[in-house]
Amino acid sequence: TQLLEQSPQFLSIQEGENLTVYCNSSSVFSSLQWYRQEPGEGPVLLVTVVTGGEVKKLKRLTFQFGDARKDSSLHITAAQPGDTGLYLCAGFTGGSQGNLIFGKGTKLSVKP
Amino acid sequence: KAGVTQTPRYLIKTRGQQVTLSCSPISGHRSVSWYQQTPGQGLQFLFEYFSETQRNKGNFPGRFSGRQFSNSRSEMNVSTLELGDSALYLCASSLVPGPISYNEQFFGPGTRLTVL
Repeated sequence: TQLLEQSPQFLSIQEGENLTVYCNSSSVFSSLQWYRQEPGEGPVLLVTVVTGGEVKKLKRLTFQFGDARKDSSLHITAAQPGDTGLYLCAGFTGGSQGNLIFGKGTKLSVKP
Repeated sequence: KAGVTQTPRYLIKTRGQQVTLSCSPISGHRSVSWYQQTPGQGLQFLFEYFSETQRNKGNFPGRFSGRQFSNSRSEMNVSTLELGDSALYLCASSLVPGPISYNEQFFGPGTRLTVL
């Protein structure tokens, strides 16, 4: 069974601080996605990383896919209250019958 | 362009009952996937439908079933409800099935099911 472990489970920080969220597995994924989910809503896709070692930047968010395609990280610079939410990583198992395996998420709270 | 809609948004049932949840995908999207989200297990894949055919299934008991209609709308059914079925049920639509990395899924807001 392929599993994705996310850490930390909870994170509470002040506005302006930096943070990093981790997503680790013993399995290799063909691609990995990060989502943000707000209360009462479904997850919204932030980014997809495909190549080992790939780094993608989305304004204050930086995503990295590990060289071996088993792990990923999300770094947020100068966090803002609007960044508050549940951050989920999801790995695609690959192949025509593949599906997404989700981590349990990191609940981020950014206080003004 | 309207997003993915799910009905009802909230549902309370008792053990042993059955329930049907509905999902309308984004116009033009032909693939619909269903997920169960709980605090303990996180988001888990239930099944995926494309062109009225189930093309992939997660590791859930046979009490969980689904179908897709010719207009791409989908329903999922849970029979003989158990307390552990209490969860947020999410549906996601995409243009076509296939490698997710090239084919973004859009999630609906979910149906919150409580089993008493």
